Amino acid sequence: AQKVTQAQTEISVVEKEDVTLDCVYETRDTTYYLFWYKQPPSGELVFLIRRNSFDEQNEISGRYSWNFQKSTSSFNFTITASQVVDSAVYFCALSETNTGNQFYFGTGTSLTVIP
Amino acid sequence: EPEVTQTPSHQVTQMGQEVILRCVPISNHLYFYWYRQILGQKVEFLVSFYNNEISEKSEIFDDQFSVERPDGSNFTLKIRSTKLEDSAMYFCASRSRGDTNEKLFFGSGTQLSVL
Repeated sequence: AQKVTQAQTEISVVEKEDVTLDCVYETRDTTYYLFWYKQPPSGELVFLIRRNSFDEQNEISGRYSWNFQKSTSSFNFTITASQVVDSAVYFCALSETNTGNQFYFGTGTSLTVIP
Repeated sequence: EPEVTQTPSHQVTQMGQEVILRCVPISNHLYFYWYRQILGQKVEFLVSFYNNEISEKSEIFDDQFSVERPDGSNFTLKIRSTKLEDSAMYFCASRSRGDTNEKLFFGSGTQLSVL
């Protein structure tokens, strides 16, 4: 079974639109961590955010915001006023206490921002 | 910010040949990882390494794969006899602690093409 599901394979938006990338996870651990990574066309994986399972406060960082809801096992990522430079593949990942050496990645959402 | 460095950025090899992918993790990090990403697919865990031994490995990491930390700075992934399906982007990652809340720092990847 998939531990991290990103149902949206590809999304296209016009510049300045807001866009939300969905992430649903599955775990039996009570302590776990969720991450978002960005993979631009150049290929590297860039860390965006880390969230622990005990902190459900939404976080905002500039145009980026994250909505963590344990009740629905979701950790969604919203980009406000999207820009062309936001075009990338975005991966959601889960790190569990019992399998602390691994990150479980979702399949990624490819975001294209059209100028 | 400190970086994980991977060389080469691209590697082309013939099926059946041995390849060694090289990584220099961040200097004070203790936990090292290899992940791979087949084109268009999710990032998959291969192996984790701590205290000069493998701590976890996935089903993908079979007898054809090995890892080594030959000195205090390099961390290598060897594929003994490459197969066509080994073609992928290989990411090295490191983190300072094994805690689940520690983010992984990823290298920019080595694109391996097996012909």
